[in-house]
Amino acid sequence: DQQVKQNSPSLSVQEGRISILNCDYTNSMFDYFLWYKKYPAEGPTFLISISSIKDKNEDGRFTVFLNKSAKHLSLHIVPSQPGDSAVYFCAASGLNSGGSNYKLTFGKGTLLTVNP
Amino acid sequence: DAMVIQNPRYQVTQFGKPVTLSCSQTLNHNVMYWYQQKSSQAPKLLFHYYDKDFNNEADTPDNFQSRRPNTSFCFLDIRSPGLGDAAMYLCATSSPGGLKNIQYFGAGTRLSVL
Repeated sequence: DQQVKQNSPSLSVQEGRISILNCDYTNSMFDYFLWYKKYPAEGPTFLISISSIKDKNEDGRFTVFLNKSAKHLSLHIVPSQPGDSAVYFCAASGLNSGGSNYKLTFGKGTLLTVNP
Repeated sequence: DAMVIQNPRYQVTQFGKPVTLSCSQTLNHNVMYWYQQKSSQAPKLLFHYYDKDFNNEADTPDNFQSRRPNTSFCFLDIRSPGLGDAAMYLCATSSPGGLKNIQYFGAGTRLSVL
């Protein structure tokens, strides 16, 4: 049972345009959300996060939006650059039944390709 | 400089032959995690150590074990690798505080089972 879903396995965007990566979750206990970026042959690298008390967090070209009522978050990259081509993972954490809030649940990832 | 280091980057083992993957960190984080990731799948948490406390995920096979001799090092032991255990194994660390839980990953070890 996937608690974090990234329904688009891949996305192709032209350089300079906006990239929008989507993520849905089912567990209402999740209260902290992260995006990771992964290049081939490297481990995932933290990109940006958002707490459930916010609906938007911005860091340079990267903005994450959270819609709690829809259990949906999205990552916007503007403008997209060829170097942004990577797999993007959505992850979530929250107080679970074990009492810990430091475990992450990941989505399957979306491969973003930014074409020059 | 790499802060979470996994060795080796690539490991080939034979069916049923025990194998150990290693992870070290320079972040002095108290939590270390091991994930298994298969192609086009989400990283799947196998277990984690919170300091010396070992926490196994309910669906982690007994074939997978872990050791953490000190803060800096953590090992993943696969006692009898099967073909289905071929995957990327990722080590991560974190220092939980409040709501924030950012995990820092190593580059991974790709395990092949022949």
